Amino acid sequence: DADVTQTPRNRITKTGKRIMLECSQTKGHDRMYWYRQDPGLGLRLIYYSFDVKDINKGEISDGYSVSRQAQAKFSLSLESAIPNQTALYFCATGKEDGKLFFGSGTQLSVL
Amino acid sequence: GESVGLHLPTLSVQEGDNSIINCAYSNSASDYFIWYKQESGKGPQFIIDIRSNMDKRQGQRVTVLLNKTVKHLSLQIAATQPGDSAVYFCAEKRYGNNRLAFGKGNQVVVIP
Repeated sequence: DADVTQTPRNRITKTGKRIMLECSQTKGHDRMYWYRQDPGLGLRLIYYSFDVKDINKGEISDGYSVSRQAQAKFSLSLESAIPNQTALYFCATGKEDGKLFFGSGTQLSVL
Repeated sequence: GESVGLHLPTLSVQEGDNSIINCAYSNSASDYFIWYKQESGKGPQFIIDIRSNMDKRQGQRVTVLLNKTVKHLSLQIAATQPGDSAVYFCAEKRYGNNRLAFGKGNQVVVIP
């Protein structure tokens, strides 16, 4: 089984819809992250959490929200999806040393 | 959807040759660096890391070199194999900052 599991793997939605992407991990890491990947732009940080009571904005948090339901679960929500949020989304976990472990990604398309 | 590798610098290398992938970083306060490999349809996978108190670190078929004077990082892959075809990202962590900053990536295509 994957250490970092993202669901769904693919999602197509319409503009204005609310959507949630989920992430769970079995690595026992305290730190969890949500990244967005667009062609040619690399990985950009949306939100991150260092423990259950900690939530921090990344470089592109506008239009997104997160919930850290447990040490192992970190979900990303788009309250009202828009087409420029079409992207590949990655969840990652890590420890204090900075090394991150990524899930397989969720491809989101907003029509 | 579009490939992750579109619009990226591309290195084409013959199978069996050595590959060198370069990365420039901007912040002299960065103290930790990582190389990730991303195959099509998968998430980035850790390859090797290096701290700023080192110039070189070797793994299995991979070597990372760090030149702090010119803020340059490179990944060398020995005897490149078809399975090495992927997008490679460098990432840096700045001292006192808990977040990684990623480069835009380099596409490596291995020619059989």
